[in-house]
Amino acid sequence: KQEVTQIPAALSVPEGENLVLNCSFTDSAIYNLQWFRQDPGKGLTSLLLIQSSQREQTSGRLNASLDKSSGRSTLYIAASQPGDSATYLCAVQGGSEKLVFGKGTKLTVNP
Amino acid sequence: EAEVAQSPRYKITEKSQAVAFWCDPISGHATLYWYRQILGQGPELLVQFQDESVVDDSQLPKDRFSAERLKGVDSTLKIQPAELGDSAMYLCASSGRDRGGGEQYFGPGTRLTVT
Repeated sequence: KQEVTQIPAALSVPEGENLVLNCSFTDSAIYNLQWFRQDPGKGLTSLLLIQSSQREQTSGRLNASLDKSSGRSTLYIAASQPGDSATYLCAVQGGSEKLVFGKGTKLTVNP
Repeated sequence: EAEVAQSPRYKITEKSQAVAFWCDPISGHATLYWYRQILGQGPELLVQFQDESVVDDSQLPKDRFSAERLKGVDSTLKIQPAELGDSAMYLCASSGRDRGGGEQYFGPGTRLTVT
């Protein structure tokens, strides 16, 4: 059974700092990995999707990497802003097609 | 930009009552998912449809939950009777790929509170 772990559970940083969120998964047989953002009480916004054949994806200040063999992914956020404050969720999709999520990392960026 | 629509956005109901949620996926998306997210946890799949057929409902509490997608487009998730433990966010997602590897797009969710 696929299990996804996100570390840390919560993170508080000053504005402008670069930061890394970590995600690990137990079964490396995946199709892809997605990073989502969730604001309080809201739905999920897809940030980046990395196919299993890819090593990384970039969008603006966000960069996500994937090391499928070791079961790890990182989300790098450059020059953090207060508007980046949210919960970030990592999810993997395997043969069953459903997404298996971690519990998320709650990020607070202080002005 | 096409979006997944869900209604209602918020629902408060008393335990033992019936409640229903509606989802309209992105036009043309064959795969539709219902997830449940308990506060502080990641979403977990309840049911997956491929067109009008159920592909995976192994985590759906079938004694009280039902889901349908009669014409392979929009979908309804029903709970009867609701229990206190059903309080959660119910998220609908859709994907355009017939098989794995497709990006899933999520709706705004329905926040259910059972009193």
